[in-house]
Amino acid sequence: NAGVTQTPKFQVLKTGQSMTLQCAQDMNHEYMSWYRQDPGMGLRLIHYSVGAGITDQGEVPNGYNVSRSTTEDFPLRLLSAAPSQTSVYFCASSLRQGHTEAFFGQGTRLTVV
Amino acid sequence: AQTVTQSQPEMSVQEAETVTLSCTYDTSESDYYLFWYKQPPSRQMILVIRQEAYKQQNATENRFSVNFQKAAKSFSLKISDSQLGDAAMYFCAYRSYHGSSNTGKLIFGQGTTLQVKP
Repeated sequence: NAGVTQTPKFQVLKTGQSMTLQCAQDMNHEYMSWYRQDPGMGLRLIHYSVGAGITDQGEVPNGYNVSRSTTEDFPLRLLSAAPSQTSVYFCASSLRQGHTEAFFGQGTRLTVV
Repeated sequence: AQTVTQSQPEMSVQEAETVTLSCTYDTSESDYYLFWYKQPPSRQMILVIRQEAYKQQNATENRFSVNFQKAAKSFSLKISDSQLGDAAMYFCAYRSYHGSSNTGKLIFGQGTTLQVKP
């Protein structure tokens, strides 16, 4: 059981480049989310999805796009990378039941130069 | 909107001693869940303990326990018999669980870095 698989683990981008962070889960979880982690700010929600075909914005959505064509996959796209997007990114998934824990990918450390 | 605050950026504890990490939150909802996650240097997010808001009894998991004060909106984590492996960043998190608010979103505090001294 792989859980949540997030790739890549590390990435360096130049300003203006685009890229996609991949996230896949094999637990048939309805809910998936993307967070960014910055020092002193905890994890902040970028986008989330409650099921295939349904996505919505979180707290810090600007500069990012998502789609959810299948239950398993929830990629995060950076449209035109900016230095302010230098961060650690986490994908997470969970069941609908509120008491269940969220499972996280191993994180992506992204540096935009 | 809900908020979660961890006011201790850093804490330290002597091995085998007890330490308490603080967390306060703000919400107008009655149905929610609270979690503590541990993030070691590997970056992996690991669930430590969870608390359902409708339960008055404080959750415990081995050496980890919480002091949940719903009226005060406080949710502290107590680590007993601290071990070197407990050194990590700890995050308090809130999840709504009522109707349309149940989206799986977690609201995190800023995190507390725990140092364990041998």
